[in-house]
Amino acid sequence: AQSVAQPEDQVNVAEGNPLTVKCTYSVSGNPYLFWYVQYPNRGLQFLLKYITGDNLVKGSYGFEAEFNKSHTSFHLKKPSALVSDSALYFCAVRDMGTGGFKTIFGAGTRLFVKA
Amino acid sequence: NAGVTQTPKFRVLKTGQSMTLLCAQDMNHEYMYWYRQDPGMGLRLIHYSVGEGTTAKGEVPDGYNVSRLKKQNFLLGLESAAPSQTSVYFCASSYPRVDGTIYFGEGSWLTVV
Repeated sequence: AQSVAQPEDQVNVAEGNPLTVKCTYSVSGNPYLFWYVQYPNRGLQFLLKYITGDNLVKGSYGFEAEFNKSHTSFHLKKPSALVSDSALYFCAVRDMGTGGFKTIFGAGTRLFVKA
Repeated sequence: NAGVTQTPKFRVLKTGQSMTLLCAQDMNHEYMYWYRQDPGMGLRLIHYSVGEGTTAKGEVPDGYNVSRLKKQNFLLGLESAAPSQTSVYFCASSYPRVDGTIYFGEGSWLTVV
């Protein structure tokens, strides 16, 4: 069965420092991987995705993610964190086993950027 | 550009009351979803639809019903609300023939007392 794990409930980083939010996955076949961000009292917003091609994908707000097939990881990164990046981040994988009808979300990681 | 619109945004219900959450999308997406979000539980899929006139159960369908009479609308009903249904509900849609990126509404905060 497809699954996604976000091992950290919360990540704390100082403004200006690089940040990493971790995600590992388990899928059969080629993974469709996503990152979404949720700001307080808002819906989730698409941040970036990996379908195929370059292992390093770039997304909105300066975020990028590295797909590592051997480690089955898809970590979210940003070279220099901003206070405004503080939010809840979800990693997700599209469940191709059910015909692509469903997306499986991780439990979420809360990012706190301190000024 | 409206995207996915949910109504109402906030609602307080008494146990046993019924209500319907409305969702509309203007992106001509085939697939629509209802999720609930609870602290420490992440997002859980309640029901989904792969096209007009079709619905299917997700992870936590009990106590909910849905209908998709029109492609752009997906309704979530609570027939007899229970305190365990206090949650934030998100409607979403996608066009999976491309890549499955999901577009979410802003959420509906429901409290059952």
